Amino acid sequence: EAGVTQFPSHSVIEKGQTVTLRCDPISGHDNLYWYRRVMGKEIKFLLHFVKESKQDESGMPNNRFLAERTGGTYSTLKVQPAELEDSGVYFCASSQDLRQGIQETQYFGPGTRLLVL
Amino acid sequence: RKEVEQDPGPFNVPEGATVAFNCTYSNSASQSFFWYRQDCRKEPKLLMSVYSSGNEDGRFTAQLNRASQYISLLIRDSKLSDSATYLCVVTGTLYNQGGKLIFGQGTELSVKP
Repeated sequence: EAGVTQFPSHSVIEKGQTVTLRCDPISGHDNLYWYRRVMGKEIKFLLHFVKESKQDESGMPNNRFLAERTGGTYSTLKVQPAELEDSGVYFCASSQDLRQGIQETQYFGPGTRLLVL
Repeated sequence: RKEVEQDPGPFNVPEGATVAFNCTYSNSASQSFFWYRQDCRKEPKLLMSVYSSGNEDGRFTAQLNRASQYISLLIRDSKLSDSATYLCVVTGTLYNQGGKLIFGQGTELSVKP
């Protein structure tokens, strides 16, 4: 079974440009999460989709970040315009259905390393 | 105060050593607890879940103390391949919070020959 995939693996852009990251979850996983690790800090939650709906976007840093999951399959995370502090590693994770009282394992993709110059 | 705090690293140990990692969390209502492992420039991978009764998987033993809001991971007979960053992770407090993971900063382990 294929794991979570992310594209691109690396991106170097200039401040003010736009970048779009893509995540393909494990087939059949309804839950898709975006996380980010900036240098020297812990991995932090950005948002959570259940199928095509945003369940929790409390971690999104500001309105320069836009996440979509049309059709409930792959997801995109767009940063527009990018700022220097957006540099970091962006991870996507997916899990199966959430069941009452059970925390399903989240499987992470390899991440996209974003550098904003 | 950070939601999840871990021992600062790095831990440098010889092969065969026993090493213990500690972690505390701030939200007493947290429901689920994990240790993840992250190799250099790779994604985090689940190492093991942590239960109040304690659980063991080969050389790895995890413990949870809810009263103290404390989580531990013990690695016995450490191998070179255990070198990685170990991440203490907790989840949200309610089912309908969607299971987002809250990470500690991680503790780096380096096992030397």
